[in-house]
Amino acid sequence: DAGVIQSPRHEVTEMGQEVTLRCKPISGHDYLFWYRQTMMRGLELLIYFNNNVPIDDSGMPEDRFSAKMPNASFSTLKIQPSEPRDSAVYFCASTQGAGGASPLHFGNGTRLTVT
Amino acid sequence: RKEVEQDPGPFNVPEGATVAFNCTYSNSASQSFFWYRQDCRKEPKLLMSVYSSGNEDGRFTAQLNRASQYISLLIRDSKLSDSATYLCVPARGGQNFVFGPGTRLSVLP
Repeated sequence: DAGVIQSPRHEVTEMGQEVTLRCKPISGHDYLFWYRQTMMRGLELLIYFNNNVPIDDSGMPEDRFSAKMPNASFSTLKIQPSEPRDSAVYFCASTQGAGGASPLHFGNGTRLTVT
Repeated sequence: RKEVEQDPGPFNVPEGATVAFNCTYSNSASQSFFWYRQDCRKEPKLLMSVYSSGNEDGRFTAQLNRASQYISLLIRDSKLSDSATYLCVPARGGQNFVFGPGTRLSVLP
């Protein structure tokens, strides 16, 4: 059973460039989450979707960040333009069902470095 | 006050020791509770769910006190492979998971 799949595993880019992170949730999961993790701030929720619809994007830091989920098996997180302070590990996670009773399953993460 | 608070550690314990982690959460609307472990440079992985009556999974025991808004994790007979960061995660309405800052454990030979 394939877990949550993220790509790329590592991304190094220069300030000002556009970065696109990709995620494929576990089949049958109807919730998808994007998190960012840094040493200083820990694991922060950026946005989550239910049935491909964004439900809560209050964690998205600013307009440079956008996320889409065009179908049940694919989501993207885009940063344009990227800045050095965006350097972090970005995790995608999925789960199924309502009520928070089902745990999250995480992908391996994308380690982003913006120089 | 942060929504989820944990002692960051590190807890340095010898193999075979028993160690306990505590977590407090501030949102009384939290409905479900989990412990995750995260190894260095890896993704968080579910360790166990936490039920109201308390539950055990091998060497791991989790307890929940809703009145005090407190969750605990006990690890018995600790192994070197238990070295990791342990994240406390209350979840409230909808799918709102709130990750604590984590407690770092180092089990020493």
